[in-house]
Amino acid sequence: DAKTTQPNSMESNEEEPVHLPCNHSTISGTDYIHWYRQLPSQGPEYVIHGLTSNVNNRMASLAIAEDRKSSTLILHRATLRDAAVYYCILNTGTASKLTFGTGTRLQVTL
Amino acid sequence: EPEVTQTPSHQVTQMGQEVILRCVPISNHLYFYWYRQILGQKVEFLVSFYNNEISEKSEIFDDQFSVERPDGSNFTLKIRSTKLEDSAMYFCASSYGSGANVLTFGAGSRLTVL
Repeated sequence: DAKTTQPNSMESNEEEPVHLPCNHSTISGTDYIHWYRQLPSQGPEYVIHGLTSNVNNRMASLAIAEDRKSSTLILHRATLRDAAVYYCILNTGTASKLTFGTGTRLQVTL
Repeated sequence: EPEVTQTPSHQVTQMGQEVILRCVPISNHLYFYWYRQILGQKVEFLVSFYNNEISEKSEIFDDQFSVERPDGSNFTLKIRSTKLEDSAMYFCASSYGSGANVLTFGAGSRLTVL
């Protein structure tokens, strides 16, 4: 699986936007960019995914660089419940497994 | 929203005992997975399962581990003779398998081996 690089940790104030970066310079043309998060004491949870274009859903937005070598997960208004480890994962889709790295631990403060 | 359910939520066992962890995947999903997470470490892939057979497994998934889909709804992970180092959270996941292959994870089963 192609490798991703994320900061170990980030902090945000509640109700502020958060931009979580991910570098994936060795991404291949068939790799989807997935974001999952893991809240304390819970299983990983799907957040969003994309291939080439920016994506929006009810949880977040995903901004993908034109060359696809980096992406940014955007939480528009962070809440205390968004404190979690966020994982940026590449996979080729179509039944392939996910390989988790160490992710970015997001702390949200009042 | 459909969810993956896992039982038990916590199991304590003696070293050398057999353990079965159970999962009910989302009903129309076709691919099933087990992952584990040792306390403070990364989420690690164990095995994927499709069409009643293992499709991929990691080096962790040795002969002590087995998976089964005994009926149309359950997906189980069996550890034949548990070791202290098997203590971890075990997560079941399922997916439809097509396109980007989004996985839905369960809340996990915590296994403690004494």
